[in-house]
Amino acid sequence: LAKTTQPISMDSYEGQEVNITCSHNNIATNDYITWYQQFPSQGPRFIIQGYKTKVTNEVASLFIPADRKSSTLSLPRVSLSDTAVYYCLVGPLSGGYNKLIFGAGTRLAVHP
Amino acid sequence: EPEVTQTPSHQVTQMGQEVILRCVPISNHLYFYWYRQILGQKVEFLVSFYNNEISEKSEIFDDQFSVERPDGSNFTLKIRSTKLEDSAMYFCASKGGMANTGELFFGEGSRLTVL
Repeated sequence: LAKTTQPISMDSYEGQEVNITCSHNNIATNDYITWYQQFPSQGPRFIIQGYKTKVTNEVASLFIPADRKSSTLSLPRVSLSDTAVYYCLVGPLSGGYNKLIFGAGTRLAVHP
Repeated sequence: EPEVTQTPSHQVTQMGQEVILRCVPISNHLYFYWYRQILGQKVEFLVSFYNNEISEKSEIFDDQFSVERPDGSNFTLKIRSTKLEDSAMYFCASKGGMANTGELFFGEGSRLTVL
């Protein structure tokens, strides 16, 4: 499984755009990049997933450069409720029973 | 929206006691998981379960742990003789139905406190 590296913490203010970058230098050809969000005392929640270029949904955008060795989760106009830990994971799309391995994640604090 | 449900939400037990944590995965899912998270630490994989057997387990999942899918809907994690260091949030997750995108759906967790 590809190892991921992300900042331990980030701070932002309400209404700003937040970009969290994840490095995954040894990503494999069949690996996808997935981001999860976790609020305190809750289970992780899927945010977005992509393979290459750009993916956008109602919550976030995911930018993946051509070499796929990194990816950036973009949260537009964050609010206080976006304060959470954000995890970048890399692995096969379905991969049968393949487990997801969580790193330490990025602790995002949004301030008023 | 379908969801993974877990019970109990919080259990307090004495060291050495047996604990069973219960989960009802999303009904058409095929792959089931237990993760745990010690307070302030990262989410750790414990075990994956498919086709009525364990498909993979971590080094944390020793002989004190077992999983079972007794009736086609519930998925349980049993800790035979709890230790203080078993205190953690335990998350059940499932994935893989007709539209398997690889997304893991997590429950809200069961907080286990071992005294």
